[in-house]
Amino acid sequence: QKEVEQDPGPLSVPEGAIVSLNCTYSNSAFQYFMWYRQYSRKGPELLMYTYSSGNKEDGRFTAQVDKSSKYISLFIRDSQPSDSATYLCAMSSFSGGYNKLIFGAGTRLAVHP
Amino acid sequence: DTGVSQNPRHKITKRGQNVTFRCDPISEHNRLYWYRQTLGQGPEFLTYFQNEAQLEKSRLLSDRFSAERPKGSFSTLEIQRTEQGDSAMYLCASSFYLAAPWETEAFFGQGTRLTVV
Repeated sequence: QKEVEQDPGPLSVPEGAIVSLNCTYSNSAFQYFMWYRQYSRKGPELLMYTYSSGNKEDGRFTAQVDKSSKYISLFIRDSQPSDSATYLCAMSSFSGGYNKLIFGAGTRLAVHP
Repeated sequence: DTGVSQNPRHKITKRGQNVTFRCDPISEHNRLYWYRQTLGQGPEFLTYFQNEAQLEKSRLLSDRFSAERPKGSFSTLEIQRTEQGDSAMYLCASSFYLAAPWETEAFFGQGTRLTVV
């Protein structure tokens, strides 16, 4: 079993829809939770970062972490075609190092006009 | 260009050949990471440096792989006697680390796509 599980999709939604992306994990030592966006043939770029449990909002993006359930989510409101990409969840622990990241497999998202 | 730069962008090699990739991090960043990403998967951690010191290597990094960061600036990743299973995107990332737990996010380069035929 992988440390981080993420449904690879693909997920196809119409423009303007609310998108929900999720990951589950097994390692209770994870404290840092990130969401990266990766366009085709590009490197990942950090979208959202959350430390421990709670919610964080940035524009159209909201990240949620539920450590008790070992479950994290990313919500995208008013989705746009430019949001079409692969979304990767990633996690790390204090002892392992902030940027020694364990990634999920990524969810491919397509937002169609 | 102030981002992380990786060269070459693409490399096709025959099985058994040696290949070397280069990563130039963001200039003020003292940590440099290597990840490998296969098709349909997320990146997997391989190794990282703080300045010129290699602090950790993943079990994924077999004896055929070696990474260096000789002057604490650019880094190279060499794969000897390549195998078809080495075909992947090799990603480099850099960050600035001050002291635990204070470290900036890792900025990724665009990767080197390796195809072993």
